[in-house]
Amino acid sequence: LAKTTQPISMDSYEGQEVNITCSHNNIATNDYITWYQQFPSQGPRFIIQGYKTKVTNEVASLFIPADRKSSTLSLPRVSLSDTAVYYCLPGDSNYQLIWGAGTKLIIKP
Amino acid sequence: DAGVIQSPRHEVTEMGQEVTLRCKPISGHDYLFWYRQTMMRGLELLIYFNNNVPIDDSGMPEDRFSAKMPNASFSTLKIQPSEPRDSAVYFCASSSTSGGVQLTGELFFGEGSRLTVL
Repeated sequence: LAKTTQPISMDSYEGQEVNITCSHNNIATNDYITWYQQFPSQGPRFIIQGYKTKVTNEVASLFIPADRKSSTLSLPRVSLSDTAVYYCLPGDSNYQLIWGAGTKLIIKP
Repeated sequence: DAGVIQSPRHEVTEMGQEVTLRCKPISGHDYLFWYRQTMMRGLELLIYFNNNVPIDDSGMPEDRFSAKMPNASFSTLKIQPSEPRDSAVYFCASSSTSGGVQLTGELFFGEGSRLTVL
């Protein structure tokens, strides 16, 4: 199972683009990279998933380089409501996900 | 759909008492997961079911913990007897890997049950 390293915390300001990078040096060939968001007192919520290159949806983009040893979650024009913990999860199945400490993102006005 | 529904949202009990947490997964989902979240250990998978059958319970801390899924729309996590170190937020999640866009299946979490054992 791929071990991940991501910053424990990050600060940014409203309207800025935020990039959170996660390293997963021993990612397996079959692993996808999934990111979840968790607000206080709520369960985690799926944000985005990708295998390689770039994936974009209505809330975020995910950049994965060719070697797939890292991935970057990009949140465009953040708002206060984006303050949350963000988890990077490599894996090929839901039941093999290892949830690390995540990155606590604090958005300031 | 109302999403994954957990009850109770909060429970305070005394050491030695039995605790039962309940979960109703999203209709049609064939996987159900129980997680525990604490500040010290983060989010840990306790057990998961596929089509109501327990597949992996290696995350269950000890014999005091048990989980059942008598049908596709209901699951319970029981702690007997409870201990202060069981205090945590317990999440239930469900997913479907059939017909979904995401190949690993998106996990849908409930709002959790916050357990405090005194």
